[in-house]
Amino acid sequence: QQPVQSPQAVILREGEDAVINCSSSKALYSVHWYRQKHGEAPVFLMILLKGGEQKGHDKISASFNEKKQQSSLYLTASQLSYSGTYFCGTAPRDGRDDKIIFGKGTRLHILP
Amino acid sequence: SQTIHQWPATLVQPVGSPLSLECTVEGTSNPNLYWYRQAAGRGLQLLFYSVGIGQISSEVPQNLSASRPQDRQFILSSKKLLLSDSGFYLCAWSGVGGPWSYEQYFGPGTRLTVT
Repeated sequence: QQPVQSPQAVILREGEDAVINCSSSKALYSVHWYRQKHGEAPVFLMILLKGGEQKGHDKISASFNEKKQQSSLYLTASQLSYSGTYFCGTAPRDGRDDKIIFGKGTRLHILP
Repeated sequence: SQTIHQWPATLVQPVGSPLSLECTVEGTSNPNLYWYRQAAGRGLQLLFYSVGIGQISSEVPQNLSASRPQDRQFILSSKKLLLSDSGFYLCAWSGVGGPWSYEQYFGPGTRLTVT
């Protein structure tokens, strides 16, 4: 049930773009994205609730392909502050369940 | 605005000792509450969640337990700690209606080292 994130880690130079993928083996109701900096708690980025939905703020956006049961997080013109571990969380569509399941995370390191 | 508190921030405990971690939420009513554990360099493992006072769902069989004695208070306990209990413990809350459509807000965490 745990979503699979790829890549596991990525190193970029400041200004480069990155894509982080999250896929599930189950039909999904929603996909959640969080970022965690080293030693800190995860911080909410965005939720996608509908297939085909795309959201974004600043230069971070995400899409949700309900049919493919996957979501992608896009980081454009990355900044040093984007460094951290990104987690996707999924809520399956197979019934009322008061929790989301997080993937193992993607470590992103931005070099100056 | 809503605030979530956790304490203590760090804790070093010997194997076999008891544990009590507390989490409280301010500024919201009837939140869903969650306890996660994160081992060093690993993902977020859901341990317990609660949709109301006295209602606890356990995700992982282990020597830990959780209780929700008040609407905005969530406690994680153990009678005897194991070395494998070491990790970063995070409490989180989400709004009424289910986490499938609401974001989760995490507390600052407790870093537990069992020696």
